[in-house]
Amino acid sequence: AQSVTQLDSHVSVSEGTPVLLRCNYSSSYSPSLFWYVQHPNKGLQLLLKYTSAATLVKGINGFEAEFKKSETSFHLTKPSAHMSDAAEYFCVVSDRDFGNEKLTFGTGTRLTIIP
Amino acid sequence: ETGVTQTPRHLVMGMTNKKSLKCEQHLGHNAMYWYKQSAKKPLELMFVYNFKEQTENNSVPSRFSPECPNSSHLFLHLHTLQPEDSALYLCASSQRADRASLNGYTFGSGTRLTVV
Repeated sequence: AQSVTQLDSHVSVSEGTPVLLRCNYSSSYSPSLFWYVQHPNKGLQLLLKYTSAATLVKGINGFEAEFKKSETSFHLTKPSAHMSDAAEYFCVVSDRDFGNEKLTFGTGTRLTIIP
Repeated sequence: ETGVTQTPRHLVMGMTNKKSLKCEQHLGHNAMYWYKQSAKKPLELMFVYNFKEQTENNSVPSRFSPECPNSSHLFLHLHTLQPEDSALYLCASSQRADRASLNGYTFGSGTRLTVV
């Protein structure tokens, strides 16, 4: 069975400082991993995805994540936070389950940006 | 807009009402999904349709009834709901359910449902 653990339910950073949102996963197979962002009253938007190609993945809005198999981690980073980054972020692992790909979501990390 | 449109955006219904949620996509995707997002809980997969056929029902109570008349439209029919069913219901689509991660999932903005 697969699982996702987002280590922080809430992260606060000052505008212009780096962002680190932590995610650990477990999977029986070679998983695909995603980060999604959800702004208030909006659906989920794909930030980036890892699907067994390059381990350092670049996404939209300056975000990137590094797949580390030895640490079973897929942490999300951004060098400099912007006010518009304030949102909920979800780490997601995708694995195959009797044919269908199955998504398992983390519980989310709420990112607050301090002016 | 993501390409996946959900209506209505907000819905308040009594426990004896019957209502339907609608999801529409014109991305050329063949798989569609219903998810439930409750406060403080991970997203819960409810139903999966692949090429109009239901391929997964994640132990969802029968008061939730999905319908997928074609690959572009997905409905969730609601009847005799309970207050604990209040949540954000998200629709998503992908190219196909067995290769979804290749091109990713596209989510709608959701319907905020309140059961009173």
